[in-house]
Amino acid sequence: ELKVEQNPLFLSMQEGKNYTIYCNYSTTSDRLYWYRQDPGKSLESLFVLLSNGAVKQEGRLMASLDTKARLSTLHITAAVHDLSATYFCAVVPTGNQFYFGTGTSLTVIP
Amino acid sequence: ETGVTQSPTHLIKTRGQQVTLRCSSQSGHNTVSWYQQALGQGPQFIFQYYREEENGRGNFPPRFSGLQFPNYSSELNVNALELDDSALYLCASSRFEVRSYEQYFGPGTRLTVT
Repeated sequence: ELKVEQNPLFLSMQEGKNYTIYCNYSTTSDRLYWYRQDPGKSLESLFVLLSNGAVKQEGRLMASLDTKARLSTLHITAAVHDLSATYFCAVVPTGNQFYFGTGTSLTVIP
Repeated sequence: ETGVTQSPTHLIKTRGQQVTLRCSSQSGHNTVSWYQQALGQGPQFIFQYYREEENGRGNFPPRFSGLQFPNYSSELNVNALELDDSALYLCASSRFEVRSYEQYFGPGTRLTVT
């Protein structure tokens, strides 16, 4: 059974601090996606990682992919309140079916 | 460029009833995928439609069915509703031929089954 696990499930961090969210998956996938979801809202695409070693940055967020380790990270730099949301990773091992992770609920405290 | 739209926004149904949810894909996209997101969980893939045919299905029973129309819009139909069908239903559109296969999600339909 394919598993996509995120770590931690809940994260409370102070403004200005750095932290990393981890996404481990149990099968091969050459693509990985990161999404953000605000409470009661839909999913917003953050990053699409298409190859081993891919690194992408947007503002205070940076995502990376290690397909050999089946691991992706989402690094948060100098967190601000606006980053409070739930973050999901998703893999597509075959065809077109997206498998989403368990989600990481991030709360940034002033 | 028009984004992905879904209707209705909210819906309350009774157990055993049937429901139809609608999705209009983003301009230029030819593929629609449907997801079920229960409270506190990640989205679960229901199925995908490409060129008006089902192109992949997740672990959902046959009472979940769908359609895609020539304009690439789509419907999700659920028969014999159960309490566990209460969830946020998301559709996502994409262009099948693009390698990144990035999906753009609609705002969702919140279904409550009582």
